[in-house]
Amino acid sequence: QVQLQQWGAGLLKPSETLSLTCAVYGGSFSGYCWSWIRQPPGKGLEWIGEISHSGSTNYNPSLKSRVTISVDTSKNQFSLKLSSVTAADTAVYYCARGPGKLGRNYYYYMEVWGKGTTVTVSS
Amino acid sequence: DIQLTQSPSSLSASVGDRVTITCRASQGISNFLAWYQQKPGKVPKLLIYAASTLQSGVPSRFSGSGSGTDFTLTISSLQPEDVATYYCQKYNSAPRTFGQGTKVEIK
Repeated sequence: QVQLQQWGAGLLKPSETLSLTCAVYGGSFSGYCWSWIRQPPGKGLEWIGEISHSGSTNYNPSLKSRVTISVDTSKNQFSLKLSSVTAADTAVYYCARGPGKLGRNYYYYMEVWGKGTTVTVSS
Repeated sequence: DIQLTQSPSSLSASVGDRVTITCRASQGISNFLAWYQQKPGKVPKLLIYAASTLQSGVPSRFSGSGSGTDFTLTISSLQPEDVATYYCQKYNSAPRTFGQGTKVEIK
């Protein structure tokens, strides 16, 4: 059973860079889409972005200028970097995996989720 | 970008009631819609994908329908363990936007 284990700094000051990593255990790394989602306190889910099986990335337009998602296939890990954080970036951050290829097509809903990392931005 | 609007934002129903949540897309997305359940303090869980396909292990009282712009999540007989916030998500193209959520409580 695939599991996603995530970690990263939980307390940041404004203007710093958020950096989170998600490691994949118990399953293949290749052939899937890897995503990041966040949830501010008391609010709904916000899709941050993804890196696909082919290595291409897509980002939420509202965050695109500050976000980078990358993979390290040698370690079965993928990462999120969000620069110039403010208090508005305070949230629980989740990593997630899509179902991969079903039939002839790839699909991009979130089938497996990490447990979440709470990130607080405060001076 | 395509927006998803869920209704209602919250509801309260009795155990055994039939509960329906609606998700409306601002443009057609075929059947590229998923539903997630998030219990208080927990990680979101995939319930339904392709608008109507039940994820493995999800109780059969959950069902989904719709195509194009209008979608529905139905709980046929509400149970106490169904207290949660439910989110729809489009995945036909990026950005893979979520709806704002519907909070379901027991009356």
